[in-house]
Amino acid sequence: NAGVTQTPKFRILKIGQSMTLQCTQDMNHNYMYWYRQDPGMGLKLIYYSVGAGITDKGEVPNGYNVSRSTTEDFPLRLELAAPSQTSVYFCASSNHRLAGYNEQFFGPGTRLTVL
Amino acid sequence: GQQLNQSPQSMFIQEGEDVSMNCTSSSIFNTWLWYKQDPGEGPVLLIALYKAGELTSNGRLTAQFGITRKDSFLNISASIPSDVGIYFCAGQTYGAGNMLTFGGGTRLMVKP
Repeated sequence: NAGVTQTPKFRILKIGQSMTLQCTQDMNHNYMYWYRQDPGMGLKLIYYSVGAGITDKGEVPNGYNVSRSTTEDFPLRLELAAPSQTSVYFCASSNHRLAGYNEQFFGPGTRLTVL
Repeated sequence: GQQLNQSPQSMFIQEGEDVSMNCTSSSIFNTWLWYKQDPGEGPVLLIALYKAGELTSNGRLTAQFGITRKDSFLNISASIPSDVGIYFCAGQTYGAGNMLTFGGGTRLMVKP
């Protein structure tokens, strides 16, 4: 199993450009998540999905959009990039159990800089 | 939203020393998790705690789920250079999405 994979690893955007961060997992997990990590800080939840076709906002959703058309893929879209979106973005997945053994597994991250 | 206070923010220790870090919250969590993040990588799960009062070990790591369900600590014994990294606590709330709330991290540096 490759686990959670993310592309690209690095990207530089100009203000106002758009891009899609890709995330794929091969563990057949129902739940998937997008986080951002600013320098020296913990992770903040942007969006999450509990299954194909179902998405919901996390703590910091403004400026982002997501879709979940398959179990495996959970892309994150930035429509009008702003400097405040400079961050490292992590995708994670977990199974759907409620009580235990539902730990989140993380991808390697995408480092995004908006200039 | 919920807040997790993780301390200390950073530690610089000598190889072989023991390390202790903790997280506190004003909210109750169902599960406490401890992750380690190496530079340029995503967080990797170290220990998961499921019951209040639970004490769990994983090699040189020991973690406890506080009896009030509002705190947790992680101890690392006999530190080695590869322990260097950022350690995050995370509290999990069961329900839609089983979401995690992360602490701010403890940056550990080990001097050989």
